[in-house]
Amino acid sequence: NAGVTQTPKFRVLKTGQSMTLLCAQDMNHEYMYWYRQDPGMGLRLIHYSVGEGTTAKGEVPDGYNVSRLKKQNFLLGLESAAPSQTSVYFCASWRGGNQPQHFGDGTRLSIL
Amino acid sequence: AQKITQTQPGMFVQEKEAVTLDCTYDTSDQSYGLFWYKQPSSGEMIFLIYQGSYDEQNATEGRYSLNFQKARKSANLVISASQLGDSAMYFCAMREGRRGGSYIPTFGRGTSLIVHP
Repeated sequence: NAGVTQTPKFRVLKTGQSMTLLCAQDMNHEYMYWYRQDPGMGLRLIHYSVGEGTTAKGEVPDGYNVSRLKKQNFLLGLESAAPSQTSVYFCASWRGGNQPQHFGDGTRLSIL
Repeated sequence: AQKITQTQPGMFVQEKEAVTLDCTYDTSDQSYGLFWYKQPSSGEMIFLIYQGSYDEQNATEGRYSLNFQKARKSANLVISASQLGDSAMYFCAMREGRRGGSYIPTFGRGTSLIVHP
């Protein structure tokens, strides 16, 4: 009963390095989201997807790219990491309507 | 303008007492839904309770209830008989529109609740 799985759970990067965060869901949800959580700021939406092959920008998309080549996977990429991207990243999937979002356990990313 | 406002950055409550966490929202839709999530220090997001705009009764789930006042656009979470394990961040969120009409649930900034023994 996996739900939403995020990998990795922790990562330390140097400024300028690149990396990809992977999110996988096994609930056949159409909608998927990437959020970042910073102290006092709540959850801010980076990018989202309403279905396989589609992506859209959220509130804070700069410096990030995403892809949804398969329905169950939503990838978040940092092409050139910056210290301002140090954060906890959450992936979520959603069936829609009155159902709650399902969240992964988060990825704690530090950029030095 | 923020769609979800949680005005209490931090709250304290004595164990076994009740506490109310405030949430006000802004929407012009007639059909919408409100969610509350709990985030303990371990970091995971836990769904607590849902209220639909057309639901005639306030939602309840165990010790959690939602004080839904539609005219005031508020959806406050009430936790009865607080326990030490209730210490966490609490987020209010809203989805707007009918099924498939809005794809982006909106979150408030959260309220940190500390339960004292």
